[in-house]
Amino acid sequence: GENVEQHPSTLSVQEGDSAVIKCTYSDSASNYFPWYKQELGKRPQLIIDIRSNVGEKKDQRIAVTLNKTAKHFSLHITETQPEDSAVYFCAASSLSGGYNKLIFGAGTRLAVHP
Amino acid sequence: GAGVSQSPRYKVTKRGQDVALRCDPISGHVSLYWYRQALGQGPEFLTYFNYEAQQDKSGLPNDRFSAERPEGSISTLTIQRTEQRDSAMYRCASTHTEETQYFGPGTRLLVL
Repeated sequence: GENVEQHPSTLSVQEGDSAVIKCTYSDSASNYFPWYKQELGKRPQLIIDIRSNVGEKKDQRIAVTLNKTAKHFSLHITETQPEDSAVYFCAASSLSGGYNKLIFGAGTRLAVHP
Repeated sequence: GAGVSQSPRYKVTKRGQDVALRCDPISGHVSLYWYRQALGQGPEFLTYFNYEAQQDKSGLPNDRFSAERPEGSISTLTIQRTEQRDSAMYRCASTHTEETQYFGPGTRLLVL
């Protein structure tokens, strides 16, 4: 089955710096890769996703890149702000059978210091 | 509109007791997923419903765990004869399309 590895487990940056979180997956059939942000005590919320037919997607300060050959994808946050502090989870799924069985990474705790 | 809701939000039970966790998906969402999230970890898939049909239960840890969604809306995850290792956050998620899953607030289960 699918396995998703996520690095680093913790990341500390200064406000205004960029943050990069990397994930690798094992199942070459995976074709959907969402990123979720989970603030302390809150539910995971989707912040950006990418399908395997594109290599990069941007949404304001957030971007995700995908390398299908190497089976890895990354989240890039530019101009970080204290409110970006949270745990970020990557996930992968194959959307087979018409449903979306997400396999999550272990998470990255991002701390943005003013 | 209202998001995914779950009840109870917290459940403390003694080892050996049965518990039932409820998920109320977003109205009109066909697909419903249950996940378990241990502290400091990502959500782990348990089971999936398409309307009332349980189409994937490959993530249920053992036969003490079961789930149902009899009318294709509200779902219940039941854990029989609870054990301490069952302690975790149990979350459900619903979706209208294949992709974006909207998570509920979760039920934090503590088995003493």
